[in-house]
Amino acid sequence: LAKTTQPISMDSYEGQEVNITCSHNNIATNDYITWYQQFPSQGPRFIIQGYKTKVTNEVASLFIPADRKSSTLSLPRVSLSDTAVYYCLVGEYYSSASKIIFGSGTRLSIRP
Amino acid sequence: GAVVSQHPSWVICKSGTSVKIECRSLDFQATTMFWYRQFPKQSLMLMATSNEGSKATYEQGVEKDKFLINHASLTLSTLTVTSAHPEDSSFYICSAPTSGSLWEQYFGPGTRLTVT
Repeated sequence: LAKTTQPISMDSYEGQEVNITCSHNNIATNDYITWYQQFPSQGPRFIIQGYKTKVTNEVASLFIPADRKSSTLSLPRVSLSDTAVYYCLVGEYYSSASKIIFGSGTRLSIRP
Repeated sequence: GAVVSQHPSWVICKSGTSVKIECRSLDFQATTMFWYRQFPKQSLMLMATSNEGSKATYEQGVEKDKFLINHASLTLSTLTVTSAHPEDSSFYICSAPTSGSLWEQYFGPGTRLTVT
């Protein structure tokens, strides 16, 4: 499993765009990059997943450079409700041998 | 989207007793479910993989005789904490993948266990 490194915490303000970068230098060819969001005392929620280039959904965008050794989760125009912990995970899309191992995550705090 | 429920949402038990936590996939079938434990301000720690119709697979360091897992149907997995002690107090979360992607998992809301 590729190890991921994220900033421990980030602060921003409402209405700003927030970019959280994740480093995964040992990513394998078959690995996908997945981001989860977790609010206090709740289970994580899937945000977005990608393999290369750019992926966008109604919640976020995921930017992956050509070498795939890092990825950036972009949250447009954040609000107070985006205050949460964001986890970057890397692994095979589907494998019975794969396990989802959570790293330390990034604690994002949004201020008014 | 797919929904995973857990019951109870919180439980308080006395030291030495056992407590059962249920994890249900409400609108999809799950041959595999995962159980995590999370201490305050920490990340999720994978405890075990629950497999429908077969034995669970436990992560290194997790006592299988203490944390009993049963996956009796395609929509229900249970975690029983036996002879609970205060150090077992934690937030227990289950998850299940939808078909096609192990990594797009749906997580339950979690169960807060407090052992007194």
